[in-house]
Formats: sequence, structure tokens, C-alpha cells
Amino acid sequence: GENVEQHPSTLSVQEGDSAVIKCTYSDSASNYFPWYKQELGKRPQLIIDIRSNVGEKKDQRIAVTLNKTAKHFSLHITETQPEDSAVYFCAANQAGTALIFGKGTTLSVSS
Amino acid sequence: DTGVSQNPRHKITKRGQNVTFRCDPISEHNRLYWYRQTLGQGPEFLTYFQNEAQLEKSRLLSDRFSAERPKGSFSTLEIQRTEQGDSAMYLCASSEVSGGKTDTQYFGPGTRLTVL
Repeated sequence: GENVEQHPSTLSVQEGDSAVIKCTYSDSASNYFPWYKQELGKRPQLIIDIRSNVGEKKDQRIAVTLNKTAKHFSLHITETQPEDSAVYFCAANQAGTALIFGKGTTLSVSS
Repeated sequence: DTGVSQNPRHKITKRGQNVTFRCDPISEHNRLYWYRQTLGQGPEFLTYFQNEAQLEKSRLLSDRFSAERPKGSFSTLEIQRTEQGDSAMYLCASSEVSGGKTDTQYFGPGTRLTVL
């Protein structure tokens, strides 16, 4: 089955800096890669996703890149703000099946 | 609120008791997923439904766990003879799958279970 590895587990940046979180997956059949943000005590919220027919996707300060050959994908947050502080999870699946999540990255943005 | 809802939000029970949680998905969504999340970990898949049919169950789902989605709308997750190791956040998610398009799963707020 699918296995998703995520690193780093914690990341501290200064406001305005960029943050990068990386994930690798094992199942070459996976074709959907979402990223969720989870604030303390709240539900995971989708922030961006990418499908296997695309190499990069951007939404304002957030971008995701996918390298299918190497089986890894990354989240890039530019111009970080204190409200970006949260736990970020990557995940992978095949269409319509259960998501397999990484263990999460705790991002702290200090002002 | 048209998002995924879950009830109760918190449940405290004694070891050995049975508990039942409810999830109401986004109304037009045909897929419903249950996940479990413990502190410091990502959500772990338990089971999922396409309409009323249970399509897959994780190895994590022991015989004490049962889930239903009788009319293809809301779902219930029951845990019998609870153990302290069942303490976790139980998350529900829903998605719409049609024509083979990869779905986006939207999560509910979760039910936090504490087994004493």
C-alpha cells in the first residue's frame, strides 16, 4: 500500500521568509496530492492540491510542485505571515480512494 | 452551514462502554470517509462508503468498530467495548466522485473521544 513520508517535522521561519515542506510517496499509481492545514483543535482544511498530469500549481503565496519520476512533491509558502502558523499535512491517493497522510509539519512563523 | 458536520464534538466514556458517532456529509457528496487522528499524527484511514456501500476497511478497523451509511446520506461509527487506546479524534470527510474524476475530500470538525 501507499506510504507517505513528510519532512521536516518542525519548521520555524521569520515573517516574510519562505517555507518549504517536502513529501515522498511510494505507490506509483497515486495520482492526487492534496495539502491540508490544521490549526489547533480545528479540522484539516484543504489549501492546495495537484493532480498527476500537472507538474506545478500556484495559488497566491502557495505553490505545490510534483515530480512523478522521483515520487516526491513539495509545498512552498512565500512571504510567510504569523497566521500561516499551523500543522501542514501532505497526502496521496488514487482517484476516489482513502487519503494516506504524512505525519505533519508544524510551521511556526515569528514576527 | 453546508459543510461536513459531526456529533457529538466531544465524548468521554468509561472503558468497556459502547459509543456511537454521527457524520453528516455535504449533501451532494456520494463518498464518505472515516479517519482517526491521534496527537501529533496525521489522520489515519478507517473506512469509506460510496453511497450506502462500504467499499474498503482499514486493518486499523478492529471487530469492535462498525460503520454504517444506511440511506447513503449520514453515517454512524460505533465502537463497542471501548479501550483506552481508542482515545483519539475521529474525523469524517466527504467528496463527490463522478466520471473517474479525482475527488477533493472536505473534513468535518471531528469527534474527540476520551476513554477513561
